[in-house]
Amino acid sequence: GAVVSQHPSRVICKSGTSVKIECRSLDFQATTMFWYRQFPKQSLMLMATSNEGSKATYEQGVEKDKFLINHASLTLSTLTVTSAHPEDSSFYICSARDLSGRKTQYFGPGTRLLVL
Amino acid sequence: AQKVTQAQTEISVVEKEDVTLDCVYETRDTTYYLFWYKQPPSGELVFLIRRNSFDEQNEISGRYSWNFQKSTSSFNFTITASQVVDSAVYFCALSGLYNFNKFYFGSGTKLNVKP
Repeated sequence: GAVVSQHPSRVICKSGTSVKIECRSLDFQATTMFWYRQFPKQSLMLMATSNEGSKATYEQGVEKDKFLINHASLTLSTLTVTSAHPEDSSFYICSARDLSGRKTQYFGPGTRLLVL
Repeated sequence: AQKVTQAQTEISVVEKEDVTLDCVYETRDTTYYLFWYKQPPSGELVFLIRRNSFDEQNEISGRYSWNFQKSTSSFNFTITASQVVDSAVYFCALSGLYNFNKFYFGSGTKLNVKP
């Protein structure tokens, strides 16, 4: 089946640093990718929609200058958490939409971010 | 408004018991998809089922079965003869049929299956 990977799977950083998370669709092209955030014991909340070759669309309440999204190719989207703070510690999950026949979204394995 | 409600925060059962996880949804769309995902402690979402709004036929896959009732806007999930490996958080989700841009997830139900 279709596979979406994320890198890194886990990251610990100091407050004030920036962290980049990669999301790749491994065996299909994804013009659209999505970034979700999940706080402990809570549900997944959509942060933004990443569109290849254009600006990302952010959900209400998500700071676009803090969570930079780049979708430079049909198989790669990156989320950069700039000047991370402890409250940004969370589980970040990406998904990619496959339009070819299967017409569904596939989720990555997630990235655990801990900001000290 | 698009909304998914999973009223059961946590359920504990003993192995071999049957358990039903409830999911109620709200949508303005006349066509839509409903999903169930399993999230084990590792965090990765495991796809279980996708059902479109045109098809109200119940589905069975091994020990898993799903009951979709449009009249009550519910999409319940039953595990028969539960096993310890079924312990996880289960999410119900809703998306548009022709637009997969947004998944609306329920708050999840944590299932504890004890030996």
